[in-house]
Amino acid sequence: GENVEQHPSTLSVQEGDSAVIKCTYSDSASNYFPWYKQELGKRPQLIIDIRSNVGEKKDQRIAVTLNKTAKHFSLHITETQPEDSAVYFCAASKTGGYNKLIFGAGTRLAVHP
Amino acid sequence: DSGVTQTPKHLITATGQRVTLRCSPRSGDLSVYWYQQSLDQGLQFLIQYYNGEERAKGNILERFSAQQFPDLHSELNLSSLELGDSALYFCASSPRQGKLYEQYFGPGTRLTVT
Repeated sequence: GENVEQHPSTLSVQEGDSAVIKCTYSDSASNYFPWYKQELGKRPQLIIDIRSNVGEKKDQRIAVTLNKTAKHFSLHITETQPEDSAVYFCAASKTGGYNKLIFGAGTRLAVHP
Repeated sequence: DSGVTQTPKHLITATGQRVTLRCSPRSGDLSVYWYQQSLDQGLQFLIQYYNGEERAKGNILERFSAQQFPDLHSELNLSSLELGDSALYFCASSPRQGKLYEQYFGPGTRLTVT
């Protein structure tokens, strides 16, 4: 069935370091991969996404890479700041209109000053 | 603020009861999705509606039902509630043009079943 695995479940870094979160998806028909940031008690917030026709996308300090062959995609955060502390979720979907999101289990990122 | 609204913010009820959660999508969005977030199950897709019609179903229990009305707001009905139904319930909506697959989440309804 459809499944998204996400690692690590927790990640602790020092302010200014980089953080990398990795996901693997099972459904080869998936072609849209968003990342959401969720602060405690708040809604998931879309921070970056990538479609399968692109290998990498960058937005300021965050970037996402996709390896379609291996069915892996990753979130990279550079120059981390304390306000980056949150739970990050990867997800996989199709873009054809029946686009339910299959989420990974989440990564709790703690950035220490 | 994503533009998606949900009411109520919090709901406390007893086992066996029935509740209705309400969602208003962003202005003009035709698709509404419902997700359940619990500690042990993570974020799980429940159901999708598009312009009033059910489009996709996920792990939604038979005790749960949903609908989307002509004004595009949606309601999720949960009946015969059990302790395990305690969770955050989010709805999301997608644009009707452009990136139809992007989903923007509302603030959620926290349901506590006692």
